[in-house]
Amino acid sequence: DTGVSQDPRHKITKRGQNVTFRCDPISEHNRLYWYRQTLGQGPEFLTYFQNEAQLEKSRLLSDRFSAERPKGSFSTLEIQRTEQGDSAMYLCASSRLAGMGDTQYFGPGTRLTVL
Amino acid sequence: KQEVTQIPAALSVPEGENLVLNCSFTDSAIYNLQWFRQDPGKGLTSLLLIQSSQREQTSGRLNASLDKSSGRSTLYIAASQPGDSATYLCAVSGGNTPLVFGKGTRLSVIA
Repeated sequence: DTGVSQDPRHKITKRGQNVTFRCDPISEHNRLYWYRQTLGQGPEFLTYFQNEAQLEKSRLLSDRFSAERPKGSFSTLEIQRTEQGDSAMYLCASSRLAGMGDTQYFGPGTRLTVL
Repeated sequence: KQEVTQIPAALSVPEGENLVLNCSFTDSAIYNLQWFRQDPGKGLTSLLLIQSSQREQTSGRLNASLDKSSGRSTLYIAASQPGDSATYLCAVSGGNTPLVFGKGTRLSVIA
């Protein structure tokens, strides 16, 4: 396993711009998760996919956020019309088995700064 | 709604000490509990996973215990080293629900 990878690692943008993050899970992991972490807090769940199907979205995921996993492999998280409150670390994780409670392997995260 | 609390928020110890990090959760109907380590600006590394039917798990100098009925878990680190300095996060899963994390304990081990 090469691990979960995320790109970019850092993103600085101006308020109102759109940004897109990519996550490549561990190969053959069928579950992929997105979390958001702000300074001094634990990660908060945003959404998850089982293969290409998006099965659950948190209330934190406003209409400006959209996530896709078109072929059940990599995933993208897009934020439209960014706001300063969107500044955070966006973490991606994947797991192999079907249960939500299986070990999740996290990527290094994408740190977003909205000016 | 599940809530996870970690105490203390920060801890500083001299090298070589044994230490205990605490995690409590409000809903005892969990599927498992996981401990993670996070270095500054980095992602999370899974340390230990305890299934709800288990009482403890060990990995090297780390030992995690789970008392599901009382909603508590502890992470014991033996013979601490400066390399153990990081934030330690506890997370619980209801089996078909997302991981719920605590805010973490920031550990500093002083050489």
